[in-house]
Amino acid sequence: DVKVTQSSRYLVKRTGEKVFLECVQDMDHENMFWYRQDPGLGLRLIYFSYDVKMKEKGDIPEGYSVSREKKERFSLILESASTNQTSMYLCASSLWNRGPTGELFFGEGSRLTVL
Amino acid sequence: AQSVTQLDSQVPVFEEAPVELRCNYSSSVSVYLFWYVQYPNQGLQLLLKYLSGSTLVESINGFEAEFNKSQTSFHLRKPSVHISDTAEYFCAVTLRSNFGNEKLTFGTGTRLTIIP
Repeated sequence: DVKVTQSSRYLVKRTGEKVFLECVQDMDHENMFWYRQDPGLGLRLIYFSYDVKMKEKGDIPEGYSVSREKKERFSLILESASTNQTSMYLCASSLWNRGPTGELFFGEGSRLTVL
Repeated sequence: AQSVTQLDSQVPVFEEAPVELRCNYSSSVSVYLFWYVQYPNQGLQLLLKYLSGSTLVESINGFEAEFNKSQTSFHLRKPSVHISDTAEYFCAVTLRSNFGNEKLTFGTGTRLTIIP
């Protein structure tokens, strides 16, 4: 069974702390994504990566960075957490293809609260 | 750039009644369209997709969606809903020109609540 695993389901951090959200997939997928999900705003793409050490900004990259040192692992980093980064963070992966198939595989999410 | 509008944020429906969740998209070029479902406390999963061919696509659990190019819509329908359909549903779009990656743009979601 395909699986995307996010290391923490719930986190509580203080303003200014550095936060790491980890995501691991076991499907040998090339593409990996970080979205944040907020009520009334849906899912918004933060960053994505289509290969090891490659990354591209999504629609809302400000305040975030990412790291992809290994194919199966994609980390989201909040250098200095702020209260407006309180949200649900979703990691996803997909297979590189000749054209999009729309098949993203999602983790269960990490709910981050910044106090 | 492409965008997706889901007109209803919440839809309550009685069990065994029909339902339609609306989705409209905006794009100046050809697109692919998708519906994802998120059950409580879970991640999203693909429900159905339109890539090409027949404009009516179906899922394994009785949902269907029809691509209507003239109305730029991709509404999701089910003739008779069940309690287990309670979830949030997201419409998504990507450009046909997206080569190799799945950079989707999602709508704001519709929360479907089934009333016993």
